[in-house]
Amino acid sequence: AQSVTQPDIHITVSEGASLELRCNYSYGATPYLFWYVQSPGQGLQLLLKYFSGDTLVQGIKGFEAEFKRSQSSFNLRKPSVHWSDAAEYFCAVNFGNEKLTFGTGTRLTIIP
Amino acid sequence: DADVTQTPRNRITKTGKRIMLECSQTKGHDRMYWYRQDPGLGLRLIYYSFDVKDINKGEISDGYSVSRQAQAKFSLSLESAIPNQTALYFCATRNSGGANVLTFGAGSRLTVL
Repeated sequence: AQSVTQPDIHITVSEGASLELRCNYSYGATPYLFWYVQSPGQGLQLLLKYFSGDTLVQGIKGFEAEFKRSQSSFNLRKPSVHWSDAAEYFCAVNFGNEKLTFGTGTRLTIIP
Repeated sequence: DADVTQTPRNRITKTGKRIMLECSQTKGHDRMYWYRQDPGLGLRLIYYSFDVKDINKGEISDGYSVSRQAQAKFSLSLESAIPNQTALYFCATRNSGGANVLTFGAGSRLTVL
């Protein structure tokens, strides 16, 4: 069955530290992959996407993600987090149909 | 003005009441979607529409209905609201040529007492 898994419900990181948020999917082919961010009281904003080509993609706000076909993963990274990065992050996958399937989200807390 | 506007932003209602959430967009997109967000469950698709004559059920359509009044407007109705429909609802849009890059509204928080 097609599925998207974000194994970490909540992550706490110190300001200035590096960040990696995990996303795995279950699918027989390469899907379209996305990361969205939701700040408190806001809608979802697209951080970055992967369709094909270079497996390391750059996004907005200094984020990047790497697609690893062998691991069915699309992990989001940032070398140095800022207090404004505190938000909820969603991995989303298009499995070749009209719909976008979302993971359950990872809430990021930044401590000073 | 926002590209995708949802009204109301917040609503508290009682069990059994009929509720309509409205979505309008200025993007000129043909596809429109309604998602529901619950803590720990992420976003789940309720209904989606390819154009005014094409409405499709998502994974959790029971208890909901939709209307695509025009290309720019897509409303979600709860005919008889129940407490487990308390959630944050998002409207989203995209162009048919875009590979599922959605533009989201700011959300409508619904509480059913």
